[in-house]
Amino acid sequence: GNSVTQMEGPVTLSEEAFLTINCTYTATGYPSLFWYVQYPGEGLQLLLKATKADDKGSNKGFEATYRKETTSFHLEKGSVQVSDSAVYFCALDRQTGANNLFFGTGTRLTVIP
Amino acid sequence: NAGVTQTPKFRILKIGQSMTLQCTQDMNHNYMYWYRQDPGMGLKLIYYSVGAGITDKGEVPNGYNVSRSTTEDFPLRLELAAPSQTSVYFCASSQNSPGELFFGEGSRLTVL
Repeated sequence: GNSVTQMEGPVTLSEEAFLTINCTYTATGYPSLFWYVQYPGEGLQLLLKATKADDKGSNKGFEATYRKETTSFHLEKGSVQVSDSAVYFCALDRQTGANNLFFGTGTRLTVIP
Repeated sequence: NAGVTQTPKFRILKIGQSMTLQCTQDMNHNYMYWYRQDPGMGLKLIYYSVGAGITDKGEVPNGYNVSRSTTEDFPLRLELAAPSQTSVYFCASSQNSPGELFFGEGSRLTVL
């Protein structure tokens, strides 16, 4: 079945550093792909999404490109801030209907001043 | 709008006790979900619903029950609590597929 494998953390970066969090997927067809973010003590929030191959999702300076050649959806940001400290989850649509998502294990990012 | 509201936020249960986690959404979403989040394991889908009166099992339904009598409410019932059910539980809703899931703030349950 459809699934994602996500880079394990934790990741610690200095402010203004470049961020990459790797995510690869296994799927039949081309499911929609997502990045969700969880700030401390809160539920998950959608960060960005891509619904077809070669699409680029972007939000709040974060980007991810749906690459079917490498079955990847890596999350990037050019200059991280302390406020970006959170847990990031890659997810994909299982394509069973009902918006049934498979979530990766999450990557904890800590940005230090 | 309040979005997705879960209660309680924290609860400690003894083995064998039962309880219900409440979830309400005010966005008139058709789809609702219950996930559990264990450390280092990501989120696992327990149950979901595509509309009032319809529920389906997710990946890890054993030990849980749900009902969906109204569009707004989707309670999760634990009948005989076990230590393996110690986790953080998240309720979520969405309007369509593929679409954004809106999550509640979570309910931390400890079974001792």
